[in-house]
Amino acid sequence: QTVVTQEPSFSVSPGGTVTLTCGLSSGSVSTSNYPSWYQQTPGQAPRTLIYNTNTRSSGVPGRFSGSILGNKAALTITGAQADDESDYYCLLYMGSGIWVFGGGTKLTVL
Amino acid sequence: EVQLVESGGGLVQPGGSLRLSCAASGSTFSSYWMSWVRQAPGKGLEWVANIKEDGSEKNYVDSVKGRFTISRDNPKNSLYLQMNSLRAEDTAVYYCARGQRLGFWGQGTLVTVSS
Repeated sequence: QTVVTQEPSFSVSPGGTVTLTCGLSSGSVSTSNYPSWYQQTPGQAPRTLIYNTNTRSSGVPGRFSGSILGNKAALTITGAQADDESDYYCLLYMGSGIWVFGGGTKLTVL
Repeated sequence: EVQLVESGGGLVQPGGSLRLSCAASGSTFSSYWMSWVRQAPGKGLEWVANIKEDGSEKNYVDSVKGRFTISRDNPKNSLYLQMNSLRAEDTAVYYCARGQRLGFWGQGTLVTVSS
């Protein structure tokens, strides 16, 4: 069974740029996987950041952007802020109506 | 403003059943796929199921197939998740979300399966 992979943790300095990735244990991620990205802080419901690879959800700041980098989906945060410290999850479409989340990346801003 | 409000969670014994509901407002409910996502305590998100706008297509993660049933009532702007034969590993916060790409989320309802 194909697993969706994410970095378990990442750190970035305030004002810095960080790129989180979302891959497949077997194969490459493409736009046909319709990559989406979600932000979650402890005790809160997730918030949608990006869908369809690079479309920002309503109200999401422009410092968040999505792309395909090599064989992975990527979420880039440019000019990281303290309140970007959260868990980030990607979601991929695997075909036949099935979607799978990655394990999540815990981002620390320090 | 889109609002999704889940209800129906609680404590249930292993092997028991529970029905979750999600009340939607602020958008044309019948125009969107709807989804359920869960999160076990201290764990990541897990996609559970989704249902097409008219209910004609339903998809499930393997671990709940044959035990959970997703349904909807468009005139009532409501989404449901019937959960049978519950197991300890089904313990989680269950979120409903709009669309296949989960554009909007509810605040979740906690399901605890324990004796």
